[in-house]
Amino acid sequence: QKEVEQNSGPLSVPEGAIASLNCTYSDRGSQSFFWYRQYSGKSPELIMFIYSNGDKEDGRFTAQLNKASQYVSLLIRDSQPSDSATYLCAVETSGGYNKLIFGAGTRLAVHP
Amino acid sequence: DAGVIQSPRHEVTEMGQEVTLRCKPISGHDYLFWYRQTMMRGLELLIYFNNNVPIDDSGMPEDRFSAKMPNASFSTLKIQPSEPRDSAVYFCASSLSGTGPYGYTFGSGTRLTVV
Repeated sequence: QKEVEQNSGPLSVPEGAIASLNCTYSDRGSQSFFWYRQYSGKSPELIMFIYSNGDKEDGRFTAQLNKASQYVSLLIRDSQPSDSATYLCAVETSGGYNKLIFGAGTRLAVHP
Repeated sequence: DAGVIQSPRHEVTEMGQEVTLRCKPISGHDYLFWYRQTMMRGLELLIYFNNNVPIDDSGMPEDRFSAKMPNASFSTLKIQPSEPRDSAVYFCASSLSGTGPYGYTFGSGTRLTVV
């Protein structure tokens, strides 16, 4: 079983729609969760951090965390073609090792 | 701040040759990570340092790979001898205090091709 699982996509949504990206993780002790965006040929960049159950909003982005279900998601409202990228879910390992394990990423395509 | 700086951006080498990748972390960051990204395996953690000391090298694929951090502003990842299956993008990342709310900042990566 992979430690962090994501649907590879591509997830195709029309411009202006809500894109919903999902991630599950296996380490029940994990406390910190991150979403990174990676454009083709570029490096990952941090867009969201969440550690409490519930929702966290930042502009058009909302991260949702459910530790009981070991599930974290990212919603992108009013999707734009510039949001087309691969979105990586990253989970901090438990045990104080301070390292992030990344999912394989979901490729998002927003079409006009 | 110039961010995390990696060199070279691209490296093409022949099988069996030694390859050295370089990284300069963000000043003041006390954690440095080396990741490798391929289409098949995604982003894999190879090794990380805290205050220049290697903490976890369990992701280093085999003895052909080695990493050093002689001081707070410089790290190297060396592959000797290189093999075609080592072809990947190698990212260096740094962070302040591990996995805090600011996560990791990644460098631009080194695209390695071994022929």
